[in-house]
Amino acid sequence: EIVMTQSPATLSVSPGERATLSCRASQSVSSNLAWYQQKPGQAPRLLIYGASTRDTGIPARFSGSGSGTEFTLTISSLQSEDFAVYYCQQYNNWPPTFGQGTKVEIK
Amino acid sequence: QVQLVQSGSELKKPGASVKVSCKASGYTFTTYAMNWVRQAPGQGLEWMGWINTNTGNPTYAQGFTGRFVFSLDTSVSTAYLQISSLKAEDTAVYYCARDRVPITKVRGHPRWFDPWGQGTLLSVSS
Repeated sequence: EIVMTQSPATLSVSPGERATLSCRASQSVSSNLAWYQQKPGQAPRLLIYGASTRDTGIPARFSGSGSGTEFTLTISSLQSEDFAVYYCQQYNNWPPTFGQGTKVEIK
Repeated sequence: QVQLVQSGSELKKPGASVKVSCKASGYTFTTYAMNWVRQAPGQGLEWMGWINTNTGNPTYAQGFTGRFVFSLDTSVSTAYLQISSLKAEDTAVYYCARDRVPITKVRGHPRWFDPWGQGTLLSVSS
């Protein structure tokens, strides 16, 4: 199965700053990648699919890029509600697999 | 709105069984497959498998065969996860999550997941 590796494990960012999260696949997944946000005690929430398509209602400060094996989720100006854990997920190959997550915390 | 509502938390003893429900609303239940995802305490997300809500055919990921059973009751738009012979290591939050692409287009291949149920906490302890 494809292994998804996210970095860093924890990212400390001040409100208003830019956050850049990385996700690497062990083999090419084309653009078949999704990003999710999970807050404590809540279910994951879909942010992006197709590597760069924001889901309905997702603020424009969230953007995704990349293809093949290297992907990036960028949050342009962190708001207080953005501090959470972010997961990438590939759906190019069976089984779908998730990264281990990046925790974005307040600096 | 499209919504998945799961059954409440469960506390079970080792060796027992549990059945978690996931009731869908706001869309035609048989149009989209349903996935199940496990999250152990403090850990990440693990895809357990999915069930074709049109045919009832389940597919299990490696590590989730034998004790895990996915089922449906389409008359009430509900998917179920049953786990038998419970072990302490089954302690986790279990999520149902709808596939976002219609079954007719996924060609047997899960895609991205939305929405998710709120999760069901299963605790297994003697």
